[in-house]
Amino acid sequence: NAGVTQTPKFRVLKTGQSMTLLCAQDMNHEYMYWYRQDPGMGLRLIHYSVGEGTTAKGEVPDGYNVSRLKKQNFLLGLESAAPSQTSVYFCASRKLAGKFYEQYFGPGTRLTVT
Amino acid sequence: DAKTTQPPSMDCAEGRAANLPCNHSTISGNEYVYWYRQIHSQGPQYIIHGLKNNETNEMASLIITEDRKSSTLILPHATLRDTAVYYCIVRGDNAGNMLTFGGGTRLMVKP
Repeated sequence: NAGVTQTPKFRVLKTGQSMTLLCAQDMNHEYMYWYRQDPGMGLRLIHYSVGEGTTAKGEVPDGYNVSRLKKQNFLLGLESAAPSQTSVYFCASRKLAGKFYEQYFGPGTRLTVT
Repeated sequence: DAKTTQPPSMDCAEGRAANLPCNHSTISGNEYVYWYRQIHSQGPQYIIHGLKNNETNEMASLIITEDRKSSTLILPHATLRDTAVYYCIVRGDNAGNMLTFGGGTRLMVKP
């Protein structure tokens, strides 16, 4: 049981390039989340999904798109990367019947945009 | 969600109890107090939560004052592995899907 995994762990992009971050969970969780964490700050919610085929905007959704084609995977896309998107990205998941706080986090993806 | 205030940093000697305070003077009656921690370069980890009674689990104890305006997370025997940033979060069950983390307290456990 790997829990929540994220791919890649590190990435450097040039301004204007695109990329996709992959989050996978093997716990059969319905809810999945993407957060970003900037240096010295707490986490901010980008997008989330309450089930396969559904997504919703969080606190800071601009510049990002997401897709949840399979229950176990949640993809975060950057169509045209900007230096302001330099951050550490965390994915999390939780059960539908579980408490909201009981989120399981992945190890993070460290993204630098130059 | 109610705003929380935590000291930016604290030190604790290994083996001693670590007491981390959190002020949440605007907390509403139906809002819970949650504690998470984040060890360096890892994802956040849920620790404990409570409404008005004190709570204890295998990781920590949570003491909430009678007026619920503040709380204290207690790690009874801190180890070096407990060095992390600790976040106090206040939210209600109907607050939607956002789990917002503030600045937190950076706890340094020293040998």
